[in-house]
Amino acid sequence: KEVEQDPGPFNVPEGATVAFNCTYSNSASQSFFWYRQDCRKEPKLLMSVYSSGNEDGRFTAQLNRASQYISLLIRDSKLSDSATYLCVVKVRTGANNLFFGTGTRLTVIP
Amino acid sequence: NAGVTQTPKFQVLKTGQSMTLQCAQDMNHEYMSWYRQDPGMGLRLIHYSVGAGITDQGEVPNGYNVSRSTTEDFPLRLLSAAPSQTSVYFCASRKGGADTQYFGPGTRLTVL
Repeated sequence: KEVEQDPGPFNVPEGATVAFNCTYSNSASQSFFWYRQDCRKEPKLLMSVYSSGNEDGRFTAQLNRASQYISLLIRDSKLSDSATYLCVVKVRTGANNLFFGTGTRLTVIP
Repeated sequence: NAGVTQTPKFQVLKTGQSMTLQCAQDMNHEYMSWYRQDPGMGLRLIHYSVGAGITDQGEVPNGYNVSRSTTEDFPLRLLSAAPSQTSVYFCASRKGGADTQYFGPGTRLTVL
């Protein structure tokens, strides 16, 4: 598989910090993303992942090119964070160049 | 903009029936794709198109046909439905060279 994720599920209490990991196999991978998919809804872009790491509020994404590894950290989990998180990798060449992981399911418990 | 729209939202077919899932986008995106999503399998690419008149096969194309006569529309045809085609189908689009993929709301298909 191009992209591998731990399927979970991760069940965490409100306020907890949780981290998801993802590995990719193609060293020609160019861009990296996390998508969020709510139950019975379509996937939507959560954030891009940059080489230096990046934050968006309570969400932090990290990339390790040497190990071909991507992570997503969610701090201070909210009930509304409950969803499936998809790791997505774009390779440099070809029109069919987006590869999706199977997703990690998160449930935040009150 | 409506974004990516799909019809119908739900469909039940009998084995052997044919049908067309409709997909349209109003963002003038060159790339359009069809995926199916099954539990534990993630999103699997069925067919994709890089522009009007150009289509190609993805990972799981058997049993499906597509055409792209306009930039806006990308219908998916099931030729002879089988229970193995029971799934959620997502259409998606993106601008050529861009990173963000926009998905439609999905069609839930059951084949009896």
